[in-house]
Amino acid sequence: NAGVTQTPKFQVLKTGQSMTLQCAQDMNHNSMYWYRQDPGMGLRLIYYSASEGTTDKGEVPNGYNVSRLNKREFSLRLESAAPSQTSVYFCASSEGGQPVYEQYFGPGTRLTVT
Amino acid sequence: DQQVKQNSPSLSVQEGRISILNCDYTNSMFDYFLWYKKYPAEGPTFLISISSIKDKNEDGRFTVFLNKSAKHLSLHIVPSQPGDSAVYFCAAGPSGGSNYKLTFGKGTLLTVNP
Repeated sequence: NAGVTQTPKFQVLKTGQSMTLQCAQDMNHNSMYWYRQDPGMGLRLIYYSASEGTTDKGEVPNGYNVSRLNKREFSLRLESAAPSQTSVYFCASSEGGQPVYEQYFGPGTRLTVT
Repeated sequence: DQQVKQNSPSLSVQEGRISILNCDYTNSMFDYFLWYKKYPAEGPTFLISISSIKDKNEDGRFTVFLNKSAKHLSLHIVPSQPGDSAVYFCAAGPSGGSNYKLTFGKGTLLTVNP
């Protein structure tokens, strides 16, 4: 099992460019999440998908869109990148049931917007 | 408004001694708590959890204590090893309803010196 995979690992964008971060999990999990990690800020939730076919905003959704393509895949799109979106992005998944809350994280995508 | 607080950005201990990492929360709806460990350039990995019906949970060298009245939890690592050097995140969530989100603290960098 690969667990949670993310592509790309690194990306440099110019302000105004767009890109999509890809995430896939092979654990048959129902719920998937996108976080960003900034120095001194911990992990902040951008969007999540509690189950296939649903998506909801997290703490910092502005400037992002998501697509839950199927049960395995959850992508994050930046339509017009800004320097404030320079960050490390983590995708995670969990079974989504009760009382299990363990989330399993991918290795991250380091994004720089110049 | 930080609902999960890790007030110590860093902690340094000697190998073989006890490491104690602390976490406070403000949301009374939280009743499931987790600790994650993160090495540089990797995604966070789940370490240990505790539900509010318990006040202690042990897994090998790791023990989590929960004081619900004080809204405080702590992670004890005994004995500490150099490989434990990492950032530790505290996370919390409600176990009821359809809310699948976890709220993370900002993390504590633990350094275990040989």
